Amino acid sequence: KAGVTQTPRYLIKTRGQQVTLSCSPISGHRSVSWYQQTPGQGLQFLFEYFSETQRNKGNFPGRFSGRQFSNSRSEMNVSTLELGDSALYLCASTGSGNSGNTIYFGEGSWLTVV
Amino acid sequence: AQSVTQPDIHITVSEGASLELRCNYSYGATPYLFWYVQSPGQGLQLLLKYFSGDTLVQGIKGFEAEFKRSQSSFNLRKPSVHWSDAAEYFCAVVIGGYQKVTFGTGTKLQVIP
Repeated sequence: KAGVTQTPRYLIKTRGQQVTLSCSPISGHRSVSWYQQTPGQGLQFLFEYFSETQRNKGNFPGRFSGRQFSNSRSEMNVSTLELGDSALYLCASTGSGNSGNTIYFGEGSWLTVV
Repeated sequence: AQSVTQPDIHITVSEGASLELRCNYSYGATPYLFWYVQSPGQGLQLLLKYFSGDTLVQGIKGFEAEFKRSQSSFNLRKPSVHWSDAAEYFCAVVIGGYQKVTFGTGTKLQVIP
């Protein structure tokens, strides 16, 4: 079955703009989480959604937000972009049952803020 | 707070040589443990996982890892490295029931002929 799909793969934005990234989890997975990866800070947890509810949140400013739809697809939004928001944003989905808590990642969305 | 330590930032091995990447975690209970690999410009690919049971787990691409509770370690091994294994490797832990992954800082593997 298809893996975690993220769109867009690459994008360039200007400081002050906002951006929305999309993630489609593996079919049947209800948990979606987001991570930011930068050379300086490594991989950092942003937030996690399950059944349209945010269950966990990392230590990021309120400019970073997300949501999950009834079909488990998720979006994250970053408003008032700063240069430091340039990063690879990774989405992950988690199954249940036999797949346990295995977390599968997408290819990521590369965001460059100029 | 839980933490994951990968003490080796960069490792260089010769093709055909054996490999061991170290990972230690700090948490009161045994978390779920994972190893992921990331090639340049790519996302994270799951190599293997440990939830419970047999402490030696086999993964894809010929990798294996051994969980040692007494040492709070989950080291990744491969008996013979191939040039295509050059990538960055991340150890990760998850507290049971919560889908928040805590990653180590990663180990970059370079393979030389």
